[in-house]
Amino acid sequence: SQQGEEDPQALSIQEGENATMNCSYKTSINNLQWYRQNSGRGLVHLILIRSNEREKHSGRLRVTLDTSKKSSSLLITASRAADTASYFCATDAFGNQFYFGTGTSLTVIP
Amino acid sequence: DTGVSQDPRHKITKRGQNVTFRCDPISEHNRLYWYRQTLGQGPEFLTYFQNEAQLEKSRLLSDRFSAERPKGSFSTLEIQRTEQGDSAMYLCASSPGLIFYEQYFGPGTRLTVT
Repeated sequence: SQQGEEDPQALSIQEGENATMNCSYKTSINNLQWYRQNSGRGLVHLILIRSNEREKHSGRLRVTLDTSKKSSSLLITASRAADTASYFCATDAFGNQFYFGTGTSLTVIP
Repeated sequence: DTGVSQDPRHKITKRGQNVTFRCDPISEHNRLYWYRQTLGQGPEFLTYFQNEAQLEKSRLLSDRFSAERPKGSFSTLEIQRTEQGDSAMYLCASSPGLIFYEQYFGPGTRLTVT
């Protein structure tokens, strides 16, 4: 079973716009990570946020974490066509198992 | 750093046959993970190695699945008596095993059981 659940399932925006996707999880976590997957390929790590952090930036990415609501959001600013991919959150519930959500499919229209 | 590699990239097999996949992690990474991913879903954890020791295995993992990492380097995942429901992408990932760590994924092996 998967702990994380992303919302929305699909998102379509124009190039240059911002994209926001959300992740909710069920149990206490050690850290939360976001990954990107281009069609038919392996996953690429984007950013990791620890349970004691509330916000983190990396380039055009901004991640927030609200442990009281068991939720995280990923913001991609000034989107590009190359950002078209599926985005997954993954949580580490203090064990060695990582739980991935069902993903948000992002389409950036040039 | 040549990245995580997996072999084969695609495998078509008939129901009932055994298949074996190989994963070569990044050389200095001591943690290795296997996941299964079906269309429209996120990766589902199968098993995890710390060096050569298999430390965790998903309760969802059938007895038909077995994984090894004999020398703490490459790993193999074997599926015996394949079923159509085994059709999926099998992903391998490795990580350096620090306290807070990211996983580096291979390209995956796509299995089709006919």
